[in-house]
Amino acid sequence: NAGVTQTPKFRVLKTGQSMTLLCAQDMNHEYMYWYRQDPGMGLRLIHYSVGEGTTAKGEVPDGYNVSRLKKQNFLLGLESAAPSQTSVYFCASPSPRFVYGYTFGSGTRLTVV
Amino acid sequence: GQQLNQSPQSMFIQEGEDVSMNCTSSSIFNTWLWYKQDPGEGPVLLIALYKAGELTSNGRLTAQFGITRKDSFLNISASIPSDVGIYFCAGQGGSGGSNYKLTFGKGTLLTVNP
Repeated sequence: NAGVTQTPKFRVLKTGQSMTLLCAQDMNHEYMYWYRQDPGMGLRLIHYSVGEGTTAKGEVPDGYNVSRLKKQNFLLGLESAAPSQTSVYFCASPSPRFVYGYTFGSGTRLTVV
Repeated sequence: GQQLNQSPQSMFIQEGEDVSMNCTSSSIFNTWLWYKQDPGEGPVLLIALYKAGELTSNGRLTAQFGITRKDSFLNISASIPSDVGIYFCAGQGGSGGSNYKLTFGKGTLLTVNP
């Protein structure tokens, strides 16, 4: 099935720890996105990529880094986690079914204590 | 960045009632999209609208692309408990954005009382 897969689904970090979230898509699309979702704030774009080897900043990029070494994978890194980064993170890529629509992954719930 | 104003922020209704929600923007969009997010899951695309004035249905859901291209509406008829979730609108292209980069509303939280 065409889709977007995120790992892990849940994670608890201590302040200052680092981690990487992995996103994989099998739709062969050039574009991939990372969003965070917080109560009352909707979906906010962190970083995105328009192709292998390229990345760009979104609305809320501070504290995050990304890499797109392979077309199908988009990694989101937190070098030194802060409690303000407690959130649900979603990866997305354009849908093969709807022009301009995205397919989202099922999310990663991250808690920083 | 660009913002979409989505209303209402939340709704609490009885099973069987009809539901209406909308999104407005000061910018023109070329495409309007409606998503639903179930608890603990990622948003799922319900309906896509590509032309001003377009009216599209998906089962009990009907969405419309506003004539001015600055708004869109979603209606759910005869609500059922599984309609519970957060509904997001999103706009693409036009003066409000770019190809393949969507602008999202903040969502409408729908609760259905059986």
